[in-house]
Amino acid sequence: GENVEQHPSTLSVQEGDSAVIKCTYSDSASNYFPWYKQELGKRPQLIIDIRSNVGEKKDQRIAVTLNKTAKHFSLHITETQPEDSAVYFCAAYMDSNYQLIWGAGTKLIIKP
Amino acid sequence: EAGVAQSPRYKIIEKRQSVAFWCNPISGHATLYWYQQILGQGPKLLIQFQNNGVVDDSQLPKDRFSAERLKGVDSTLKIQPAKLEDSAVYLCASSLSALAGGGNEQFFGPGTRLTVL
Repeated sequence: GENVEQHPSTLSVQEGDSAVIKCTYSDSASNYFPWYKQELGKRPQLIIDIRSNVGEKKDQRIAVTLNKTAKHFSLHITETQPEDSAVYFCAAYMDSNYQLIWGAGTKLIIKP
Repeated sequence: EAGVAQSPRYKIIEKRQSVAFWCNPISGHATLYWYQQILGQGPKLLIQFQNNGVVDDSQLPKDRFSAERLKGVDSTLKIQPAKLEDSAVYLCASSLSALAGGGNEQFFGPGTRLTVL
């Protein structure tokens, strides 16, 4: 079945610097890749997503890139701010079984 | 637009007792998910409904967990009997339709924090 690996498990960056979180997936049939942000004690919320027919998508300080050949996708956050501190989850979806497979999460710490 | 509603928000029970959680998804959302999230881990899918049918319950411990979505709208998740390792946050989520193809956003409720003593 599909497997999603996410790295690193913890990432600490200086405020104002960029952060990059990487995920790899195993099934080439995966066609939808969302990223969720979960602040401490709160529910996961979608921050950006990308479909397999697109290589990159941006939304202000957040961008996601997808490399279908290598089967990996990445989240890029520029000009990090204290409110970016959270756990970020990547996921991969397949039409064949309607399943969304989640990564294990990355705890992002923004140092002042 | 109202979000996903869950109740109760918190529950403390003794092991071997039973407990039930309720979820009301966003109006018009055909797909409903129950997740278990243990502290420090990612969400683990327990069961996925499409309307009132089960799409995936492969990770639901069926000897103690049950779930239903009889009318294809709200849903209940039950644990009977509870074990210490069931302590977690139980998240309900909904989406327009997982079966429509292409994947779509899941909207999460606030969760129910269960503590089993």
